[in-house]
Amino acid sequence: GAVVSQHPSWVICKSGTSVKIECRSLDFQATTMFWYRQFPKQSLMLMATSNEGSKATYEQGVEKDKFLINHASLTLSTLTVTSAHPEDSSFYICSAFDSVLGYTFGSGTRLTVV
Amino acid sequence: AQSVTQLGSHVSVSEGALVLLRCNYSSSVPPYLFWYVQYPNQGLQLLLKYTSAATLVKGINGFEAEFKKSETSFHLTKPSAHMSDAAEYFCAVSVGGSQGNLIFGKGTKLSVKP
Repeated sequence: GAVVSQHPSWVICKSGTSVKIECRSLDFQATTMFWYRQFPKQSLMLMATSNEGSKATYEQGVEKDKFLINHASLTLSTLTVTSAHPEDSSFYICSAFDSVLGYTFGSGTRLTVV
Repeated sequence: AQSVTQLGSHVSVSEGALVLLRCNYSSSVPPYLFWYVQYPNQGLQLLLKYTSAATLVKGINGFEAEFKKSETSFHLTKPSAHMSDAAEYFCAVSVGGSQGNLIFGKGTKLSVKP
């Protein structure tokens, strides 16, 4: 079946630094990538939607200058958390969409900012 | 606007007992509905989906769900729980048809007692 590789699976960074999370569709081309954030014991909240070659569409309340999304190819999307702070600590999950395969989720990235 | 409500944040059953996880949806258009399972620190795995075909949908791991328009429900069931079914379960609705982003319910944690 379809596989989406998300890296890293966990990362600890110092406050003020930036962290990049990669989401790669391994055996299919994703027309759309979605980025979600999940707080402990809560549901997934959509952060942004990105289509290859165009700017991401951010949900209300999500700072686009803080959460930079790049969708350079049909198989790769990255989320960069810039100037991270402890309140950015969370579980981030990407999802790649293909019209035949539907939605395929990555395994998630646990970000801890200290 | 589309939304989903999962009744019960935590459900506990005995091994071998019936599993019933409730999901009600709100949608102004015919909905596309999904059930996902999430194990700790992992991404989401699709259990099943409803896309306006048969109202009784069979998924993986013995799960099934029935779409009831009159009740605006899409409850997830499994006749006999296994210990390995212990996880978090999310109901979701697709915004904008089959290719829109997913709106998730708050999740239901399933515990299975030996």
